[in-house]
Parts: sequence; structure tokens; C-alpha cells
Amino acid sequence: SYVLTQPPSVSVAPGQTARITCGGNNIGSKSVHWYQQKPGQAPVLVVYDDSDRPSGIPERFSGSNSGNTATLTISRVEAGDEADYYCQVWDSSRDLHVFGTGTKVTVL
Amino acid sequence: QVQLVESGGGVVQPGRSLRLSCAASGFTFSSFGMHWVRQAPGKGLEWVAVISYDGIMKYYADSVKGRFTISRDNSKNTLYLQMNSLRAEDTAVYFCAKAPHSSGEHNWFDPWGQGTLVTVSS
Repeated sequence: SYVLTQPPSVSVAPGQTARITCGGNNIGSKSVHWYQQKPGQAPVLVVYDDSDRPSGIPERFSGSNSGNTATLTISRVEAGDEADYYCQVWDSSRDLHVFGTGTKVTVL
Repeated sequence: QVQLVESGGGVVQPGRSLRLSCAASGFTFSSFGMHWVRQAPGKGLEWVAVISYDGIMKYYADSVKGRFTISRDNSKNTLYLQMNSLRAEDTAVYFCAKAPHSSGEHNWFDPWGQGTLVTVSS
């Protein structure tokens, strides 16, 4: 099955940039979507189709995807960005959706 | 605005059945695919199933195939998940989520409901 690997945790100081990676075999050929989940809450879509932002999501959230790695970048990190982040793709070879392992972002 | 409200969760014994519902409002329910996603306590997200706008196309995760059935009633703006032969490992919060278009493929999930907790325990 298609596996998406994320680092378990990323720590970043306020005002700095957080980069969260999502590794998968030739993931650059797929569309990658990213979700933010705060404790006790439902996930929220923050980036879709590699780099598009839903309405209401700050420009500080951006995405890229190439080769075997997709990346969610959070610029000018704020305390409110502390959350778990998940990547997700559609695996067309098996007709199923796959989530990454998740990354906990801690704001120092 | 789009609103999704899950219900039907609870405590159930292993091997028994449970049906979850997701009431949708704020959009034309009959035009969009719909998903179920679950999250075991303290764990990550796991996609469960998706259904196309007309209920014809359905896809399932390997972990639930043959035990769970996704369905919808467009006249009631409601999505369902029938869960049979439940196991301890099915214990999770179950979320419904809206697809961006009519099919179940090449989707993202937006928005999500708040979830309903299913606990499988004797």
C-alpha cells in the first residue's frame, strides 16, 4: 500500500518558519492535501492540490510538491499554529485515500 | 454555511453492529461525494470510506472492507455508515467530511463534522 511518512514532531520559535515534510514514492505525481488538527477538534483543510489555500486560511500557509517529498510551510509561526498536521493523497492504483503519519508542531 | 453533524456513536460489544449518521446542511448534499474518516484515541487519521453523489460508487479502506457499508439518503440529506462485526480496533472518533465534487476520487476533505465516538468493548 502507498505509505506517506511525516516527521513525528517539528519545533519552531514564534516568528520563524516551520517546514513539515510528507514523503512518498513519486508523490510529486499526485495531488497532496494538508490538514491542521488542534486538540479535541476536527481537522481543518489548510492546503489542497499541493499549494492552493481554502478561503479563510492565512497566506502564511503554503505548500509544494516535487519528486518524493511534499512540504507544508508555515511562515511567521504563531502560537495558534501549534497543532497536528496531516498530509493526504488519493492512491489511484488501489482506489483509496491515504493519510500521512502526522506531525506535531510545537511553538517554543 | 456548511454543517455536518454526526450521531449514533456509543459503546458496543465486539461482534455487534452500529449505524452512524451524518446530517448535512448548508449545501446541495445530492451533488457531492461524502467521506467517513476515523481517529483512534491518541492516533492519527484513517480514511474509512467514500460514496459518490448518487450513491453508486463506493470505496473502502482494506481494514473495513466487507464489514462496513457506506450509504446515503439524498432526500434526507444524510450520510450513513453501517458497521458490522465490530472489533476493538474499530474504537475511534468517526468524522464525516464533504468532498469537493461529485465523485469519491481525487478528493480532499472539507469541511469535517465534529465526530462521534465509537467504543467497542465487552
